[in-house]
Amino acid sequence: EIVMTQSPATLSVSPGERATLSCRASQSVSSNLAWYQQKPGQAPRLLIYGVSTRATGIPARFSGSGSGTEFTLTISSLQSEDFAVYYCQHYTVWPETFGQGTRVEIK
Amino acid sequence: EVQLVESGGGLVRPGGSLRLSCAASGFTFDNYGLSWVRQAPGKGLEWISGINWNGGDAGYADSVKGRFTISRDNAKNSLSLQMNSLRAEDTAFYYCARGQRPGIATAFDYWGQGTLVTVSP
Repeated sequence: EIVMTQSPATLSVSPGERATLSCRASQSVSSNLAWYQQKPGQAPRLLIYGVSTRATGIPARFSGSGSGTEFTLTISSLQSEDFAVYYCQHYTVWPETFGQGTRVEIK
Repeated sequence: EVQLVESGGGLVRPGGSLRLSCAASGFTFDNYGLSWVRQAPGKGLEWISGINWNGGDAGYADSVKGRFTISRDNAKNSLSLQMNSLRAEDTAFYYCARGQRPGIATAFDYWGQGTLVTVSP
């Protein structure tokens, strides 16, 4: 099983600032890497797939990068609606595993 | 509009069984793989099972292998998860999620709102 590790666990950011979230895979996942956003009481929402492709309707302030085992989600200028928990996920093989999540909170 | 609506959750005793269903609409059902993802209260996401477009390929996380069975009925646009020998650690919200393509191992572009399963004496 591929283990996904996210850092930091919590990120405190002021509105308008940049947020950088990291995700590391225990072995290469090629480009089979997605990011999800989850707000309290809601289902996860797909933000990014294929490392860097934004899902339908996702604003351009969200961007993904990386390759192999190291990946980054960047939110260029945090808006109030962006404070949430973010998960990375690989989908190279079953089981598809998620990171433990990064909570982005208001500083 | 793509919709996934889970049902069947509830309170069950340890060792008991439950069957979850996911009713799909708004897309061509047999063009997509599907999965179940669960989330224990206050915890992270755990993929537990997936199935390809025609049901010919299915997979399970080790945590549920041998106890849970995924299936789909393309004529009824429905996904199911039969859960047997339930344990306290199976307590979670269970989400139905659509894969981005017909096969296995994909990102999930649509999710249901989830159904809560509570395993308790």
